[in-house]
Amino acid sequence: EAGVAQSPRYKIIEKRQSVAFWCNPISGHATLYWYQQILGQGPKLLIQFQNNGVVDDSQLPKDRFSAERLKGVDSTLKIQPAKLEDSAVYLCASSPDRVGGGYTFGSGTRLTVV
Amino acid sequence: AQSVTQLDSQVPVFEEAPVELRCNYSSSVSVYLFWYVQYPNQGLQLLLKYLSGSTLVKSINGFEAEFNKSQTSFHLRKPSVHISDTAEYFCAVTDTTSGTYKYIFGTGTRLKVLA
Repeated sequence: EAGVAQSPRYKIIEKRQSVAFWCNPISGHATLYWYQQILGQGPKLLIQFQNNGVVDDSQLPKDRFSAERLKGVDSTLKIQPAKLEDSAVYLCASSPDRVGGGYTFGSGTRLTVV
Repeated sequence: AQSVTQLDSQVPVFEEAPVELRCNYSSSVSVYLFWYVQYPNQGLQLLLKYLSGSTLVKSINGFEAEFNKSQTSFHLRKPSVHISDTAEYFCAVTDTTSGTYKYIFGTGTRLKVLA
């Protein structure tokens, strides 16, 4: 089966600019996650979708980050405006359901804010 | 709140030597436990998982981990490492009573296998 697709792989922007990341999960996976991985740290959950509904966005900085999952398939994560501390790898993952079978991660988007 | 501790940020080991990467989690409530591996410039790949049943779980490439509820640990071991095992390893836990099943990751252990 095809894996979790993410684009772009790399992005460099200036602070205060906006940026968007795209994720296409494995076909049929109901649950989709966006994680932020800052260099030297473990991934941190930003938002979790079940189909097209939000299950958990408690750690999403809502003043600048937004995410949507239209039609319960692919998803976009947006940052507007970006700050230097947003430099990180943004990982998308999907799973068939919320129960702990294990996520499948995409390769990530490496964002550098200068 | 649940948390995961990986005490060793880096572990250097010679090829064919045994290795143990330590993972402890904070809460003894019902949990699922995972180890993920991340090679340079790649996403995380599931290495092995404990959901229930036997406390010793194994991966296809020779790694194993043992769930120890009393010590709230899930250490990863391999009896003989290869150069190709060089990567970053992340332990993760999910609280099965939370309803969301979100994963909490540790900060990672960088395994460096030396020739």
